[in-house]
Amino acid sequence: QVQLQESGPGLVKPSETLSLTCTVSGDSISNSNYYWGWIRQSPGKGLEWIGSMFYSGSTYYNPSLKSRVTISVDMSKNQFSLKLSSVTAGDTAVYYCAGNFWSAYSNNWFDPWGQGTMVTVSS
Amino acid sequence: SYVLTQPPSVSVAPGQAATITCGGNNIGSKSVHWYQQKPGQAPVLVVYDDSDRPAGIPERLSGSNSGNTATLTISRVEAGDEADYYCQVWDSSRDHVVFGGGTKLTVL
Repeated sequence: QVQLQESGPGLVKPSETLSLTCTVSGDSISNSNYYWGWIRQSPGKGLEWIGSMFYSGSTYYNPSLKSRVTISVDMSKNQFSLKLSSVTAGDTAVYYCAGNFWSAYSNNWFDPWGQGTMVTVSS
Repeated sequence: SYVLTQPPSVSVAPGQAATITCGGNNIGSKSVHWYQQKPGQAPVLVVYDDSDRPAGIPERLSGSNSGNTATLTISRVEAGDEADYYCQVWDSSRDHVVFGGGTKLTVL
């Protein structure tokens, strides 16, 4: 079964770039049914989709974050990564990576999810 | 942008049925997916494509979708069902994922 694990710094300074990596095990990141996505959850708040990427390079980003987000895939390591630039305290959240399964007519959902990693933006 | 509206909270006694709604403009024309998130844990997909369940999800959880409202129904509610529940769709007009604000289910 597919498992995902996030890794990266738990503390990032304001104005710097947040960088996280998600390692996929149990399946190839080049699985044609999956995009690979990032979702975050600010403390006490709901889920916010950040973006999703297909292994070939096709990407979709949340319009509200698009100018600051880059998602990339490293097939050699079976990993995908998130970079969020110019962070502020408002970017403090638990960041989840997830398999973004696509079926017909662009219908897609998230399964499975990583356990999540808390990132705090503070000086 | 497309908005999904969920009630902030729903309370139900054990053994009763809980209904969690997800409202959106003509949501019946979209496929709706539901996630369960227990405290301190990652979300788990419990219903996809309006009414299908992933392997391992009990039949007590069921979904429906019509008109402007999608519904997650949990029959014979147990203490272990206490969690936050989120609905999700794909907004094809803007090519992005939309989550509802979440509903906290409390088992009395």
